[in-house]
Amino acid sequence: DAKTTQPTSMDCAEGRAANLPCNHSTISGNEYVYWYRQIHSQGPQYIIHGLKNNETNEMASLIITEDRKSSTLILPHATLRDTAVYYCIVRLPADRGSTLGRLYFGRGTQLTVWP
Amino acid sequence: SAVISQKPSRDICQRGTSLTIQCQVDSQVTMMFWYRQQPGQSLTLIATANQGSEATYESGFVIDKFPISRPNLTFSTLTVSNMSPEDSSIYLCSVEGRAKNIQYFGAGTRLSVL
Repeated sequence: DAKTTQPTSMDCAEGRAANLPCNHSTISGNEYVYWYRQIHSQGPQYIIHGLKNNETNEMASLIITEDRKSSTLILPHATLRDTAVYYCIVRLPADRGSTLGRLYFGRGTQLTVWP
Repeated sequence: SAVISQKPSRDICQRGTSLTIQCQVDSQVTMMFWYRQQPGQSLTLIATANQGSEATYESGFVIDKFPISRPNLTFSTLTVSNMSPEDSSIYLCSVEGRAKNIQYFGAGTRLSVL
């Protein structure tokens, strides 16, 4: 799986948009970009994923550049409960019965939302 | 999404003993994963456990230290054997959900070894 590079930490004011960048310059054509977050002392929580098109769900939006070498996770209206470590991961799609698709976590970005 | 229950949620163990962690899923899943998160660190994959086959271990992890069982499509166990203080970590179970290509995580087992 390709490696990712994320800033160590970011701050955001409550109610503002949080834009978390991720570089994945060695991503291959069939690898997806995933975002997870981990709130202190909890298991990681899936947020969103995409291949090449921008994606949006109830939690966030994912913007992937045209060359797919970087992406941005957008939390449109950050709240205090969004304070967490955010992980950007690239991986191959899972193949039934094989070990493809396993997740490799980097250090992530510690997002702190302040009042 | 999949609902994953891990037991125990936390434990304090003595050096040299073993602990078995259970992972129960509310639906049948093919792929289950076990991760370790050492204090202040990110998650590291220990092994992939598919029903009906031997678990596949990542580099640095061996079956004698972390034996895994996968008796059916909703359950798995991870044993941490002959524990030392360096094994103090959070151990997390993860499954590939029905929505393909999304992995879901349990709340984890917080292990402290004295």
